Amino acid sequence: QVQLVESGGRVVQPGGSLRVSCAVSGFSVSSSGMHWVRQAPGKGPEWVACQRFDETLKHYADSVQGRFTVFRDNSNNILYLQMDSLRVEDTAIYYCAKGPYGGYFDYWGQGTLVTVSS
Amino acid sequence: DIVMTQTPLSSPVTLGQPASISCRSSQSLARSDGNTYLSWLHQRPGQPPRLLIYKTSDRFSGVPDRFSGSGAGTDFTLTISRVEAEDVGVYYCMQGAQFPFTFGQGTKVEIK
Repeated sequence: QVQLVESGGRVVQPGGSLRVSCAVSGFSVSSSGMHWVRQAPGKGPEWVACQRFDETLKHYADSVQGRFTVFRDNSNNILYLQMDSLRVEDTAIYYCAKGPYGGYFDYWGQGTLVTVSS
Repeated sequence: DIVMTQTPLSSPVTLGQPASISCRSSQSLARSDGNTYLSWLHQRPGQPPRLLIYKTSDRFSGVPDRFSGSGAGTDFTLTISRVEAEDVGVYYCMQGAQFPFTFGQGTKVEIK
């Protein structure tokens, strides 16, 4: 059974850093494309970043390019999103999602709330 | 970036009746591998989105067959053949043909 469980969301000040995690079970993060998608309060989803199964390719939304980094721990089957230089507009629920590097998201986690506020 | 435009943005529907949502992309979503990467997702309040349809018309595992997707190029449709109470929520189309992946604005489906 495929499960994705995010954690690490909290309140952080503008300019600060935060790392959120996505613990995966039922498949291996090293065998699948993995994505981060966020959703600001009352808004639609916004794709943030993704990593190909073999880690040879990564893509980021322009809004986070240079500030966010996606990486993983294969031995523990965990996907991470390192977020630096956080801005108020980064406030959102952050979801990890499984899916082909190009295409669609077939399984989603429940999300973790990141609030950037002074 | 590819812009995704959904219509309508709100859809009051009658239980047992059909409903449809349209989605138009600003560029063709057809890829050189022969697939067209348009997917449909459903989100209930307080829940993550869940995949209904991928590659325009493929129904995801466990999705009831009253949901169907159609279209090509830049014009796509999600159809619910007979709306049930559990179908309320917001529906999003999403393109996965080109980075950055982008979503439509969402269509809120509610029961009349």
